[in-house]
Amino acid sequence: EAGVTQSPTHLIKTRGQQATLRCSPISGHTSVYWYQQALGLGLQFLLWYDEGEERNRGNFPPRFSGRQFPNYSSELNVNALELEDSALYLCASSFIGQTRATNTQYFGPGTRLTVL
Amino acid sequence: GDSVTQMEGPVTLSEEAFLTINCTYTATGYPSLFWYVQYPGEGLQLLLKATKADDKGSNKGFEATYRKETTSFHLEKGSVQVSDSAVYFCALSGAQKLVFGQGTRLTINP
Repeated sequence: EAGVTQSPTHLIKTRGQQATLRCSPISGHTSVYWYQQALGLGLQFLLWYDEGEERNRGNFPPRFSGRQFPNYSSELNVNALELEDSALYLCASSFIGQTRATNTQYFGPGTRLTVL
Repeated sequence: GDSVTQMEGPVTLSEEAFLTINCTYTATGYPSLFWYVQYPGEGLQLLLKATKADDKGSNKGFEATYRKETTSFHLEKGSVQVSDSAVYFCALSGAQKLVFGQGTRLTINP
């Protein structure tokens, strides 16, 4: 069974540009989560999408946004890039179902974003 | 809010040594607890999990027990190998998001 996939592997942008990162969840999973792993700041929750809707977001400015498509894949968009946006962006997926119970999140390999 | 505190690293051990990485948490309710491992240049891999008090998660020789009375989920392995060198993250699940500890870098020398 294929795991969570992310593209691109690496992305280099300059300050002020926009970045688009993509994630495909494990087949059958309906929830997608985005996390930022910046040097020295650990792993921070960014966004949660379930069944095409944004369900929760972390403490990040509105220039971080995204969406989930009908096939449950997801995009993360970062507008007006700043130097401190340089980080590894990790996507995870899980299946929650009707009970809304907490389920295990499985991670992709990440996209390394470098802002120059 | 919810939080996770891990023992500070880095941790360096010799092969076949006993490993403990401490993890304590603060949370409302009864979260699920996880250990994830990150090898160099890779994403996170689930190592083990426990969903309720006194549950023991285990995988690849690693174990951790969900201790509600001490709000802890310490990771242990009886005999580490060079291939266990990685960064280990303790995490709890609250409101459908993971809250991570700061990570502990483990290096095993042959």
